[in-house]
Amino acid sequence: EPEVTQTPSHQVTQMGQEVILRCVPISNHLYFYWYRQILGQKVEFLVSFYNNEISEKSEIFDDQFSVERPDGSNFTLKIRSTKLEDSAMYFCASSVGGANSPLHFGNGTRLTVT
Amino acid sequence: QKEVEQDPGPLSVPEGAIVSLNCTYSNSAFQYFMWYRQYSRKGPELLMYTYSSGNKEDGRFTAQVDKSSKYISLFIRDSQPSDSATYLCASPGGGSNYKLTFGKGTLLTVNP
Repeated sequence: EPEVTQTPSHQVTQMGQEVILRCVPISNHLYFYWYRQILGQKVEFLVSFYNNEISEKSEIFDDQFSVERPDGSNFTLKIRSTKLEDSAMYFCASSVGGANSPLHFGNGTRLTVT
Repeated sequence: QKEVEQDPGPLSVPEGAIVSLNCTYSNSAFQYFMWYRQYSRKGPELLMYTYSSGNKEDGRFTAQVDKSSKYISLFIRDSQPSDSATYLCASPGGGSNYKLTFGKGTLLTVNP
């Protein structure tokens, strides 16, 4: 069964550094998402992306965050200057699209900011 | 406003038991509801999704929505140790399909 893959599985970085989290969505999916889960808290929506542009973003997704689909297969999340509070699991998801199409999640990247 | 609420548990049951997992939601515009299963150190895996009120069955799993009370449930029959995971309810809300609102998740342990 096709799946969403994320790399790396764990990223450790120092505060103030830039990080790029990478995702390969399911190949025939058209909608792409990033969610995050701080330890012990809910899974939270960050951003959705369709047709090479952001379709919706949450208040968490400030100017420090950006997303890109640099080629036909990868989808990336960049954090320009990481803060301690950015430490979380970051999940990429994709969906075929259309009304209420279910989201398929990757296994996440654990980001630790020291 | 807390839009999707879920008792975090933990819930521990013996193998073979019927498990009932529940969520409440506050926004009456919510129409679609999903249940995800999340194993430790893994991403959420879609189990079932339902629209509006009523029941939907898939093998040992039944999802139920009661819109009058804003209550959604997931029942697991003949529970197995492999069902041990965190179960998350979610809804895309009344607006965009893209923005899922999740409950906090209920940690379930099925003991052999």
